[in-house]
Amino acid sequence: NAGVTQTPKFQVLKTGQSMTLQCAQDMNHEYMSWYRQDPGMGLRLIHYSVGAGITDQGEVPNGYNVSRSTTEDFPLRLLSAAPSQTSVYFCASSYSSLRGTAIYEQYFGPGTRLTVT
Amino acid sequence: LAKTTQPISMDSYEGQEVNITCSHNNIATNDYITWYQQFPSQGPRFIIQGYKTKVTNEVASLFIPADRKSSTLSLPRVSLSDTAVYYCLVGPPGGKLIFGQGTTLQVKP
Repeated sequence: NAGVTQTPKFQVLKTGQSMTLQCAQDMNHEYMSWYRQDPGMGLRLIHYSVGAGITDQGEVPNGYNVSRSTTEDFPLRLLSAAPSQTSVYFCASSYSSLRGTAIYEQYFGPGTRLTVT
Repeated sequence: LAKTTQPISMDSYEGQEVNITCSHNNIATNDYITWYQQFPSQGPRFIIQGYKTKVTNEVASLFIPADRKSSTLSLPRVSLSDTAVYYCLVGPPGGKLIFGQGTTLQVKP
């Protein structure tokens, strides 16, 4: 299993540009989410999904769109990049119900470091 | 979602036991308590999870009192490589998790 993969690892955008951060998991997890982490801060939830076709907003959804057309993929779209969106973005996934275990562990990807100038 | 409160930072020395306490007064009946560890430039990594009483795995123990309004992560005999940020999270199974500021643990030689 590759786990949770994110691409690209690094990205520089100019203000106003749009782009899509990719996230994929091969563990058949129902639940997927996106976080952003600013320097020296904790992670903040942007959007999450409890299954294909279902998405919902987290703490800081403005400026971002998501869709979940398959179980495996959960892309995050920046509509019009702003310097305030300079951050490290983490994608995570987990089961949303018991699978013979009492552990609900979220697996995190390696992150995408985004700079908006 | 239940709000969590934990110390901003802690210092320890190699070989000592470290206990990090997290307060979660508004925990709901179906919430689990989960701890994650994060190293710089990496995504958080699951450490341990529990619902009540005590849970132990190969790296840590989690103590949860009967009222579940707090929990304590115990790291036995820490080493320099345990220097990291530790997050306490409370939430429903497989549901959205809200991270707080975390506790920065500095282990000294």
